[in-house]
Amino acid sequence: DAGVIQSPRHEVTEMGQEVTLRCKPISGHNSLFWYRQTMMRGLELLIYFNNNVPIDDSGMPEDRFSAKMPNASFSTLKIQPSEPRDSAVYFCASRTYSLGTGFPKTEAFFGQGTRLTVV
Amino acid sequence: DAKTTQPNSMESNEEEPVHLPCNHSTISGTDYIHWYRQLPSQGPEYVIHGLTSNVNNRMASLAIAEDRKSSTLILHRATLRDAAVYYCILRGTGNQFYFGTGTSLTVIP
Repeated sequence: DAGVIQSPRHEVTEMGQEVTLRCKPISGHNSLFWYRQTMMRGLELLIYFNNNVPIDDSGMPEDRFSAKMPNASFSTLKIQPSEPRDSAVYFCASRTYSLGTGFPKTEAFFGQGTRLTVV
Repeated sequence: DAKTTQPNSMESNEEEPVHLPCNHSTISGTDYIHWYRQLPSQGPEYVIHGLTSNVNNRMASLAIAEDRKSSTLILHRATLRDAAVYYCILRGTGNQFYFGTGTSLTVIP
């Protein structure tokens, strides 16, 4: 497997523009996570999905942020409108989670991240 | 989630063992202790995890205190490629996990 694939790797956009970050999880994994990393705040969990359903979006900073997972092999994180303070590295991760036991069955695998710069 | 406390930074000489400590005094009985590391310009990667007993794998060893209020990640022979930020994470029931500030390890040649 190629691992978790994120695109684009780098994105530079102007303030006010819409930005869409994409993630393809590892095949067979049923949980997907979006994290944001900045120097000031470190790694923050934004939202996660189990079986394509958003479970906890309490980490999403504002209504400008939205995430979707239309199927098991694709997720997007959208920022509209973007602001300079959204500049960060955004990571996607996936793993297998057992709804029956309530515990993960594998460790989490992270993508290489998308470095977003909003100017 | 229970919190963890780690030193901000540590240094080690190449080819010497490294002991990275983590305090988690509020750990609950069902919390697993996980370690991840993040190499420069990479996403975090899994290192090791355990519940009560010490654990070994090809990357590292995890020593867990008897009262489980602390743990130590042991790299047996540090290499330059081990220079990274190491995160100690507690994971209970549920799927979410949260990163703290981690320990930045510098390996000196």
